Amino acid sequence: DTAVSQTPKYLVTQMGNDKSIKCEQNLGHDTMYWYKQDSKKFLKIMFSYNNKELIINETVPNRFSPKSPDKAHLNLHINSLELGDSAVYFCASSQDLYGGGSSSYEQYFGPGTRLTVT
Amino acid sequence: GDSVTQMEGPVTLSEEAFLTINCTYTATGYPSLFWYVQYPGEGLQLLLKATKADDKGSNKGFEATYRKETTSFHLEKGSVQVSDSAVYFCARTYGGSQGNLIFGKGTKLSVKP
Repeated sequence: DTAVSQTPKYLVTQMGNDKSIKCEQNLGHDTMYWYKQDSKKFLKIMFSYNNKELIINETVPNRFSPKSPDKAHLNLHINSLELGDSAVYFCASSQDLYGGGSSSYEQYFGPGTRLTVT
Repeated sequence: GDSVTQMEGPVTLSEEAFLTINCTYTATGYPSLFWYVQYPGEGLQLLLKATKADDKGSNKGFEATYRKETTSFHLEKGSVQVSDSAVYFCARTYGGSQGNLIFGKGTKLSVKP
């Protein structure tokens, strides 16, 4: 059973298009995250959701919008795609955000979605 | 602000060599420290962690000790294998919660047979 899954694995699209990346976790976790990894492998957090509320919104363009229909899903919608959006996007989840157990804050990552904007 | 600095790669070693990947963190608050590993084509996996000063995290032959006096959390392994080839990320918590993580820039390790 896959703990954190993402679809699609690869996404190739043209500038100006709107696209979504889906993420699902079956771990019963309360918190989910989106990260962007650039071509140099630098990993930066974009958003996190705790109990369906956005609690981190790093300085990302407002073209990016996370949407969480329920606790197990956190989708990433991107409007008006730009060349600089090309990267690998990772979804992750953790039991909660504020600890409380020895491993309650360990983050589990999905396999990533490689987005290429042409 | 809070940050993590790790040695730049790539690091290339022969099988059974000793590995050290340096990591230092900014000394703000009382962070927990982590090493994550990313194998080719996969997401990150937690390798080991330490939650307070002098704790030693260990897993799969890797070790790292939380050194508050030097603000370091260096990753070590006594004898690397080809299967250890991956990108290794040092990370720390920030913002008063355990779930928010700041990652270092990653160090690519290649182990040759």
